[in-house]
Amino acid sequence: EAQVTQNPRYLITVTGKKLTVTCSQNMNHEYMSWYRQDPGLGLRQIYYSMNVEVTDKGDVPEGYKVSRKEKRNFPLILESPSPNQTSLYFCASRDGQRNQPQHFGDGTRLSIL
Amino acid sequence: AQSVTQLDSHVSVSEGTPVLLRCNYSSSYSPSLFWYVQHPNKGLQLLLKYTSAATLVKGINGFEAEFKKSETSFHLTKPSAHMSDAAEYFCVVMDWSYGQNFVFGPGTRLSVLP
Repeated sequence: EAQVTQNPRYLITVTGKKLTVTCSQNMNHEYMSWYRQDPGLGLRQIYYSMNVEVTDKGDVPEGYKVSRKEKRNFPLILESPSPNQTSLYFCASRDGQRNQPQHFGDGTRLSIL
Repeated sequence: AQSVTQLDSHVSVSEGTPVLLRCNYSSSYSPSLFWYVQHPNKGLQLLLKYTSAATLVKGINGFEAEFKKSETSFHLTKPSAHMSDAAEYFCVVMDWSYGQNFVFGPGTRLSVLP
């Protein structure tokens, strides 16, 4: 089954404790991205990757890091989480062809205390 | 730059009545447009997409949307609402000349009353 898998689904942690949210897709997609969803703001892009070893900032990259060492994986790293990063996070992937839609994971709800 | 406006943050309809969710976009080039639905505690599911073929696009679950370039609109409609349609709906624009960034609207929450 074609899917985007995120882990963990839920995480409560404390300020400053490094964490990583993993994302994996099994569709051989070139393009992957991370979004955060906050009430009234829709989804805002954090980082995206056009292919292996190619990453770029989205609209809200501050406080986040990513890497793309393999085509299927695109982890999101919070080196020193802060309470304003409490949010619902989505990973997405898409084929590199024009006009292809994104496929989303089920989301990761992070609470930073 | 691209932007998306969803004119209603919340729409409430009775079961069996029509649904209209409004979306206006701003794009510097010929955009691709999408509607996604998000049910509670779920990820986003693609409803339909417009990619410069037919201006009236049919999607899943009886939804359709019409692209109107002169009005820069891409409104989502359904003739008869079902209880299972209650969810959050997002209009999305992707401008190929602006990289591959998908820009989301703020969302419209649809409530369906029995």
